[in-house]
Amino acid sequence: ETGVTQSPTHLIKTRGQQVTLRCSSQSGHNTVSWYQQALGQGPQFIFQYYREEENGRGNFPPRFSGLQFPNYSSELNVNALELDDSALYLCASSRDRSSNSPLHFGNGTRLTVT
Amino acid sequence: QQQVKQSPQSLIVQKGGISIINCAYENTAFDYFPWYQQFPGKGPALLIAIRPDVSEKKEGRFTISFNKSAKQFSLHIMDSQPGDSATYFCAAMKMAGRRALTFGSGTRLQVQP
Repeated sequence: ETGVTQSPTHLIKTRGQQVTLRCSSQSGHNTVSWYQQALGQGPQFIFQYYREEENGRGNFPPRFSGLQFPNYSSELNVNALELDDSALYLCASSRDRSSNSPLHFGNGTRLTVT
Repeated sequence: QQQVKQSPQSLIVQKGGISIINCAYENTAFDYFPWYQQFPGKGPALLIAIRPDVSEKKEGRFTISFNKSAKQFSLHIMDSQPGDSATYFCAAMKMAGRRALTFGSGTRLQVQP
């Protein structure tokens, strides 16, 4: 059983550019969540997708958007990048939204905005 | 708004000792409290989790103690080993609805041989 995989592992972008990060959920998982982890901080919830629809959103501006595809993989898009967007972006998947379905995290994409 | 406060920020423990990390939460709607372990360059990995209907849960060397009235919970690592050196995060979540984890700020644990 493959785990959650994210690509790319590292990325450097310039302020104002746009970026797309990708996530393949663990086999059998239909729910994907994205988190932002600033250096030295705990992860912060961005949004969650369940069966291709956004199922909840954290305190992030609209320039953070996402997609979930029929195979349950997902993308995180960030427009008009700002320096403060530099962080580790984590994707997590779960089998469903039930209480007994823990979140499994990928190893993240390290985004640096210069 | 920091809804989950974690302490200490860093902790140094001798091999074989007990590591204790504490968390306090504000939102009484939270009903799921997991602990995650994160090594450098890796994503967080679930260690152990507890629901508020029990006061303690033990899995191997890891124990969660939960105090609902005080809105506090803690992680105890017994017989700490150098391989336990990592950053530990407590988290809390309301199981109904969007199921978004609110994380603490993390504790960097160093176990000295």
